[in-house]
Amino acid sequence: QKEVEQDPGPLSVPEGAIVSLNCTYSNSAFQYFMWYRQYSRKGPELLMYTYSSGNKEDGRFTAQVDKSSKYISLFIRDSQPSDSATYLCAKGAAGNKLTFGGGTRVLVKP
Amino acid sequence: ETGVTQTPRHLVMGMTNKKSLKCEQHLGHNAMYWYKQSAKKPLELMFVYSLEERVENNSVPSRFSPECPNSSHLFLHLHTLQPEDSALYLCASSQDRRTPRSGNTIYFGEGSWLTVV
Repeated sequence: QKEVEQDPGPLSVPEGAIVSLNCTYSNSAFQYFMWYRQYSRKGPELLMYTYSSGNKEDGRFTAQVDKSSKYISLFIRDSQPSDSATYLCAKGAAGNKLTFGGGTRVLVKP
Repeated sequence: ETGVTQTPRHLVMGMTNKKSLKCEQHLGHNAMYWYKQSAKKPLELMFVYSLEERVENNSVPSRFSPECPNSSHLFLHLHTLQPEDSALYLCASSQDRRTPRSGNTIYFGEGSWLTVV
C-alpha cells in the first residue's frame, strides 16, 4: 500500500463549482499535511498546510483533516479556469521530509 | 517566484554525457532538497542537505552526484544516465529540517526538465 494515495483524475468541473479533492494516508506518524498546486511544466506551489483535525480556511481554499479515517481533503470554492492544475497532497515525516501522492488533475471549464 | 531558481530549465543529454543542474535559493534557508518527478509517479525525494552536509540519500544511483558548496547553492551532477532517468528534477529549500509545525514549509523551484537520449 502506498503511503499517500490520490485519485489521478482528471476531475472536470464547470466554472463556479466547488472542487473537492481527497487523499488517504496509511502511516499515522507525523500527521501534518500539505496541499500543493502544480501548473503544467512548473514546480509545485504550496497552497496550505495543516496538522490538526478539522478545517482550515484560506480564502477560497479549505483543507480538512480526519485523522480517525486517515483522510484529508481540499475544497476550492467558486472555482476559476485558473484553478486548472494538478493538486498534490503531501504528508510530513521526520526531518521535514515529504511523501507525496500522485496528484489529481483538475480542469475547470469556463 | 518562490525564491528558488533552477538552471537550466530544459536539458537534453546523451547517455555518455556529463552535465549539471544548478539550484540557488534566495530565502536564507539552511536545508535544501532534490526531488525527482517522473511521468505517472509521485514526487520522490532524492537527497537532503542541511547546513551544507548531506543528511539523506534515498538509495539514488551513483550516476547522480549532489554537491552543496554553501547553504544557498545546490548542484546535481549527472553522468552516464539512462533514458529512464528522463524526468523533472525539482530543487526545494526550507528554513531547516524541523517539522512544518513551526511554519517550516518547503518551497520548490520551477524544475529542470531532463531528457536522456
